[in-house]
Amino acid sequence: QSALTQPASVSGSPGQSIAISCTGTSSDVGGYNYVSWYQQYPGKAPKIMIYDVSERPSGVSNRFSGSKSGNTASLTISGLQAEDEADYYCSSYTGSSTFYVFGTGTKVTVL
Amino acid sequence: QVHLVESGGGVVQPGTSLRLSCAASGFSFSIYGMHWVRQAPGKGLEWVALIWFDGSKKYYADSVKGRFTISRDNSKNTLYLQMNSLGAEDTAVYYCARCLSTGCSLDYWGQGTLVTVSS
Repeated sequence: QSALTQPASVSGSPGQSIAISCTGTSSDVGGYNYVSWYQQYPGKAPKIMIYDVSERPSGVSNRFSGSKSGNTASLTISGLQAEDEADYYCSSYTGSSTFYVFGTGTKVTVL
Repeated sequence: QVHLVESGGGVVQPGTSLRLSCAASGFSFSIYGMHWVRQAPGKGLEWVALIWFDGSKKYYADSVKGRFTISRDNSKNTLYLQMNSLGAEDTAVYYCARCLSTGCSLDYWGQGTLVTVSS
């Protein structure tokens, strides 16, 4: 099972909106509505931001939203803030014996 | 509140074994599936293994299949990862995480424990 493909880096100015893509195949991202997104600060454990493509856990800012089209999922951060500067990972259920796969990760920089 | 605490990491020589533990509290451990995820220094997240809430099903990444074994003791609210035939490529911070909903997203994570495989 290959890792899902994400851009290495995305940047934006405060207040702007950015989108991070996550490309897989019909065997993972495209085949199920079980894409999640995680935020990770350096030296810290990841935190779930989105699950089941577009569901937001309690306590997560509504500036974060998720969507999917075909084999590509996206995380959009609107009203970008300095605190959003972190690494972001997508993930997906695979429906196979390996069950789960993460994306390659994207570093978000707030200019 | 949900609390997951990993332990058992350390420095080990190539070819040896190590068992990690993850102590869970603040929720009904026995009704949740549990994951292990690892992150090599400076690298991305890699899913390692998943165990069903009752231990009836287990899934592994190809990179650890046949070498690692995930297990749990619901009476002790503890998750385990037995790691055998360790190699330098297994050097990483190992996280345990709880499985959320049908798609098994990882909704709560421990702080991680570092495993270093080096001679």
